[in-house]
Amino acid sequence: SAVISQKPSRDICQRGTSLTIQCQVDSQVTMMFWYRQQPGQSLTLIATANQGSEATYESGFVIDKFPISRPNLTFSTLTVSNLSPEDSSIYLCSVGSGRQGNEQFFGPGTRLTVL
Amino acid sequence: AQSVAQPEDQVNVAEGNPLTVKCTYSVSGNPYLFWYVQYPNRGLQFLLKYITGDNLVKGSYGFEAEFNKSQTSFHLKKPSALVSDSALYFCAVRANSGYSTLTFGKGTMLLVSP
Repeated sequence: SAVISQKPSRDICQRGTSLTIQCQVDSQVTMMFWYRQQPGQSLTLIATANQGSEATYESGFVIDKFPISRPNLTFSTLTVSNLSPEDSSIYLCSVGSGRQGNEQFFGPGTRLTVL
Repeated sequence: AQSVAQPEDQVNVAEGNPLTVKCTYSVSGNPYLFWYVQYPNRGLQFLLKYITGDNLVKGSYGFEAEFNKSQTSFHLKKPSALVSDSALYFCAVRANSGYSTLTFGKGTMLLVSP
């Protein structure tokens, strides 16, 4: 299994600002995913980030709001831009091997509160 | 589109009793099915998965799940619950062909009382 760390673990931000979340993995992985977990809700996939290509965004999520970087096989960042209180959520980084039958592993999450 | 239904928001069980957390799914073709657990202020931890083969899958911490194709279900079970099993449980599905992302259910809170 992969060990995944995220920074920051939590943050409180003012509306209109941006927060960049870092995800570091202890091994090289093909696919990285960013999820949002709104209070009391399930996980919603924001985008898939593969190294060397543009991130693929799910319906309802756009690059201008959630820009993603994937500079190498062990690291990715998600920026949540122009924050509003509705962005208050837990953001989770996840990695997978690319093989469909393999499980994904998740980071501990970043809890974002927007005032 | 694929989907997962977890019909119970919360399941309450006494310690030592068997527990079941229900999950049904919808996917084109055959599924890959997963159970994850989330403890407070923690990320998701993988419990078990069904890929193919035996319908009864055994996983971590004594949990098991039974794949039932005719009922499109993948219920999570444990013969004897522990208080430490109290957590949020997520069922997830992915199609086993083509490109498919993981779709999660809304989660079921399991509360095990002493």
